[in-house]
Amino acid sequence: KQEVTQIPAALSVPEGENLVLNCSFTDSAIYNLQWFRQDPGKGLTSLLLIQSSQREQTSGRLNASLDKSSGRSTLYIAASQPGDSATYLCAVPTGTASKLTFGTGTRLQVTL
Amino acid sequence: NAGVTQTPKFRVLKTGQSMTLLCAQDMNHEYMYWYRQDPGMGLRLIHYSVGEGTTAKGEVPDGYNVSRLKKQNFLLGLESAAPSQTSVYFCASSQGTSLWETQYFGPGTRLLVL
Repeated sequence: KQEVTQIPAALSVPEGENLVLNCSFTDSAIYNLQWFRQDPGKGLTSLLLIQSSQREQTSGRLNASLDKSSGRSTLYIAASQPGDSATYLCAVPTGTASKLTFGTGTRLQVTL
Repeated sequence: NAGVTQTPKFRVLKTGQSMTLLCAQDMNHEYMYWYRQDPGMGLRLIHYSVGEGTTAKGEVPDGYNVSRLKKQNFLLGLESAAPSQTSVYFCASSQGTSLWETQYFGPGTRLLVL
C-alpha cells in the first residue's frame, strides 16, 4: 500500500529565507507527483505536477524535484514571503488511475 | 469561470438525519471526486466518477452514496448521518486520469454531526 509522508508537520521561517519541504513515498512505481497548497479554510490549489520522466518542475519561486529511486520529492521555495504561509501537500496516483494518495501536509508560516 | 463550487458551505446535522452535498464544475471535466479531510488523516477519497452516469467507490465509501446524472454535477448523499461523518468535505474535478492531469478543488463543506 502506498504511503506518503511529509516531514516536518509544521515549519516557521522568517521572511526572505529559502526553504525546502519534503515528501517521501513508499512505492517508487509512480506516474507523477503533485504538490498542492491549502490556505486555512479553503480548498487545495495545484502548484506543480512532475511526471515520472522529469526530475524537476519550476513555477516562479517554486521548484519541485523528484527522485523516484529514493522515493523522495522536495519543494523548494525561494525568498519566502508571508503570503506563502499555508499548508503544502504532496500526492501521488495509486491503485486505479483516479485515486490520489495524499500526505498529511506541512504547515508553513513565514513571519515578518 | 467559477471552477468548482460546493453547496452548502457549512451544515449542522443531528445523528440520523440525511442530507445531500452538491458539487458543480464549469470546466467540462470528465472526472469528479469527493474527499473528506480529517485532522491527522489527510484527504481520503470517498467516491469518484469518470464520466456522466458513472460512479465508483474510493477508500472510505461506507455511509455515503453518490450520483452523477449530469456531467457538471456530482452529488454526495448521507442517508443517516453519524458523528463519525463530522468532517470537511471537498469536491474536485479533472479533465482526465490522475496519471496525467491535476485535480481542481472546491472550497469545501464543513459538516458537524451532533
